[in-house]
Amino acid sequence: DAKTTQPPSMDCAEGRAANLPCNHSTISGNEYVYWYRQIHSQGPQYIIHGLKNNETNEMASLIITEDRKSSTLILPHATLRDTAVYYCIVRVGLQNSGGYQKVTFGTGTKLQVIP
Amino acid sequence: DTEVTQTPKHLVMGMTNKKSLKCEQHMGHRAMYWYKQKAKKPPELMFVYSYEKLSINESVPSRFSPECPNSSLLNLHLHALQPEDSALYLCASSQRGTAQGEKLFFGSGTQLSVL
Repeated sequence: DAKTTQPPSMDCAEGRAANLPCNHSTISGNEYVYWYRQIHSQGPQYIIHGLKNNETNEMASLIITEDRKSSTLILPHATLRDTAVYYCIVRVGLQNSGGYQKVTFGTGTKLQVIP
Repeated sequence: DTEVTQTPKHLVMGMTNKKSLKCEQHMGHRAMYWYKQKAKKPPELMFVYSYEKLSINESVPSRFSPECPNSSLLNLHLHALQPEDSALYLCASSQRGTAQGEKLFFGSGTQLSVL
């Protein structure tokens, strides 16, 4: 799996957009970008994933650069409940993984939403 | 039901004790995972079961013994643990069958303290 690089911490004012960057310059053509987050004392929670097109769901938007070497997770209106560690993970999709996901977490970005 | 349920939530055990952690899901997922997370560190993969068969063992010491008695249940049997095994133990599951990759569903974990 491709290695990812994320800033260790970020602050965001409540109500503003939180933009979390991730570098994955060694990503392969069949690897997806996944984002998870972990709120304190809970298990990680899936947020979104994408291959090359930008994606949006009810939680966030994922912007992937054209060369796919970096991506940004956008939380459009951050709330205090969005304070968490956000993990960017790059790995192959189901058809190349043997039916299960060997998900390896990096150190992530600790996002602090400030009132 | 989109939950992964882990019991107990907290466990304190001595180094000579035998205990078990339990994980249950009723989403029809056929892949189940155990992760270990030390304080302020990312989760680390321990074991992966796919269709009730052990698919990945990340060189975990034999004092940790996984078991998948059926497609809904995953156990982690603990014996002769060391204080450094104190951690949050997370269970996850995932569903095969989508062409675009899978997402992991995590439980809230069992906080284990070994005295």
